Amino acid sequence: EAGVTQFPSHSVIEKGQTVTLRCDPISGHDNLYWYRRVMGKEIKFLLHFVKESKQDESGMPNNRFLAERTGGTYSTLKVQPAELEDSGVYFCASSPLGGDQPQHFGDGTRLSIL
Amino acid sequence: AQSVSQHNHHVILSEAASLELGCNYSYGGTVNLFWYVQYPGQHLQLLLKYFSGDPLVKGIKGFEAEFIKSKFSFNLRKPSVQWSDTAEYFCAVSPSGGYQKVTFGTGTKLQVIP
Repeated sequence: EAGVTQFPSHSVIEKGQTVTLRCDPISGHDNLYWYRRVMGKEIKFLLHFVKESKQDESGMPNNRFLAERTGGTYSTLKVQPAELEDSGVYFCASSPLGGDQPQHFGDGTRLSIL
Repeated sequence: AQSVSQHNHHVILSEAASLELGCNYSYGGTVNLFWYVQYPGQHLQLLLKYFSGDPLVKGIKGFEAEFIKSKFSFNLRKPSVQWSDTAEYFCAVSPSGGYQKVTFGTGTKLQVIP
């Protein structure tokens, strides 16, 4: 089966610009998660979708971040306007509904804000 | 809220040496425990997981981990490392049952010298 795919793999933008990251989960996985790793620190949870609904967005840093999952398939994470501290690697993960299921991770998008 | 502590940030070993990476977690309830690995240039992969049952868990590539509930620990071990084990290793925890908000440790970079 195809894994979790993320696009782009690397994005370099200037402070103040807008960037949109995309995540395609494994087909049939209703759970979709976004995480972020700022350089040298731990991977931190951002939010969780169940299908198209936001289950938990307690990890979103501020209102410059907007995540969507229209139709319950792929998800986008938009940062507008980007700030220097937003640099890091953004990971997406997915898992099936029901029971205890491990999450499958994508390769991540490395976001660099100049 | 749960938290994870990994004791070693950077470990350097010679091939054939034994490995033990420490992981302690903090959470008041029942947990699921994971070790993920990220090889250079690749995505996060699940190495092994503990949900319930035998506290000694065997994973891929000869790795194992032991859940010691009284010590809130889940240390990763391998009797004899290989150069190909060079990677970053992440311990993670989530509450068991229901949806999983995974909390990661800061990661341990393992460098195996041929």
